Amino acid sequence: DTAVSQTPKYLVTQMGNDKSIKCEQNLGHDTMYWYKQDSKKFLKIMFSYNNKELIINETVPNRFSPKSPDKAHLNLHINSLELGDSAVYFCASSQGSSIGRNNEQFFGPGTRLTVL
Amino acid sequence: GESVGLHLPTLSVQEGDNSIINCAYSNSASDYFIWYKQESGKGPQFIIDIRSNMDKRQGQRVTVLLNKTVKHLSLQIAATQPGDSAVYFCADTLLGSSASKIIFGSGTRLSIRP
Repeated sequence: DTAVSQTPKYLVTQMGNDKSIKCEQNLGHDTMYWYKQDSKKFLKIMFSYNNKELIINETVPNRFSPKSPDKAHLNLHINSLELGDSAVYFCASSQGSSIGRNNEQFFGPGTRLTVL
Repeated sequence: GESVGLHLPTLSVQEGDNSIINCAYSNSASDYFIWYKQESGKGPQFIIDIRSNMDKRQGQRVTVLLNKTVKHLSLQIAATQPGDSAVYFCADTLLGSSASKIIFGSGTRLSIRP
């Protein structure tokens, strides 16, 4: 009965490789997000999709490409991985795209990406 | 630009005592604030929120206080328990042209002494 799930939980790869992280939510939410948390626990939004449409695209290298095949899924593909991409990536979802009470964001368990 | 920060990166309290985690923000236009709890190996979890038209809001064992004059908010946890050990983030929100986003602070790690 997991609400927001991510795969894989851990990802170790070499610099220059291409990798994907998958996210699925079974809450029936319309909006999904990707966040990056660095080694100092600083958490920053990267992308947001509402009904499969990109609505937030922060200053993220274009090596990062999100894809939302349907409302319940938001995947993150990363090309040409660099050392600085090492972080924990969190997926989240909310009912709608506005921020406020009754529109809480639910976070997945995170994917720890280590680039060697 | 807007930022949300915390006064202390770590806080250690005795089990059963009250915990107070402080946070400062810089955006005077912020009107909605959220506290999150992140346990080890897990994603952030919503604890409590407060709008700028309030100065206090209470939940179960938690209270958030907002002082707009000095742009400060705090999270108080009553009778701290071992399960409260986590990193706590305050966050405010930034309204955008197409969507709003949550701006997270840097976090305070709360540890509980038995």
